[in-house]
Amino acid sequence: DVKVTQSSRYLVKRTGEKVFLECVQDMDHENMFWYRQDPGLGLRLIYFSYDVKMKEKGDIPEGYSVSREKKERFSLILESASTNQTSMYLCASRAGTENQPQHFGDGTRLSIL
Amino acid sequence: DQQVKQNSPSLSVQEGRISILNCDYTNSMFDYFLWYKKYPAEGPTFLISISSIKDKNEDGRFTVFLNKSAKHLSLHIVPSQPGDSAVYFCAASAQTGANNLFFGTGTRLTVIP
Repeated sequence: DVKVTQSSRYLVKRTGEKVFLECVQDMDHENMFWYRQDPGLGLRLIYFSYDVKMKEKGDIPEGYSVSREKKERFSLILESASTNQTSMYLCASRAGTENQPQHFGDGTRLSIL
Repeated sequence: DQQVKQNSPSLSVQEGRISILNCDYTNSMFDYFLWYKKYPAEGPTFLISISSIKDKNEDGRFTVFLNKSAKHLSLHIVPSQPGDSAVYFCAASAQTGANNLFFGTGTRLTVIP
């Protein structure tokens, strides 16, 4: 079974702080993704990566950056946290072949005070 | 602009009956469709998928139907069980480009014992 592990289930930070969310997958997947989930809006893609050191913007990249130094690890960075970034953050990974589902971690509930 | 739409935020069904969850999409380039189930405080779990070359895919109690001309897909759960109570997300992707998933806003299914 694919295992996607997010380092924190719950996180509370203050406005203006730099926040790091970490994600590790154990299936040697090429593709990794960061989403945020908000009520009534579904899952929205922030950034994704299709290889080490490669990244692409998703639908809502503003205020975020990412890092992928190793294949198994994908980090989401909030450069200067703001209250509108309070949300559930979900990491996913997917194999590089066609018609493969994304597999998700259990999410990080981030609150910015 | 929401490319994948789930117009029913909630659905209640008696145990043992059929649950039908619906999803519409607007992008004719989508050719791979998935359903995910999400319990509270957990990440989405992949349930079933269908490629655009098919119009039906079954996995046990779960069947997904695809109507390409109507840009509509549905998930049938028969028979419904209380453990099926969760939020169900429909997702779609195009095999060209980055294979990103576009999610609907979810339908909360409640199966009444």
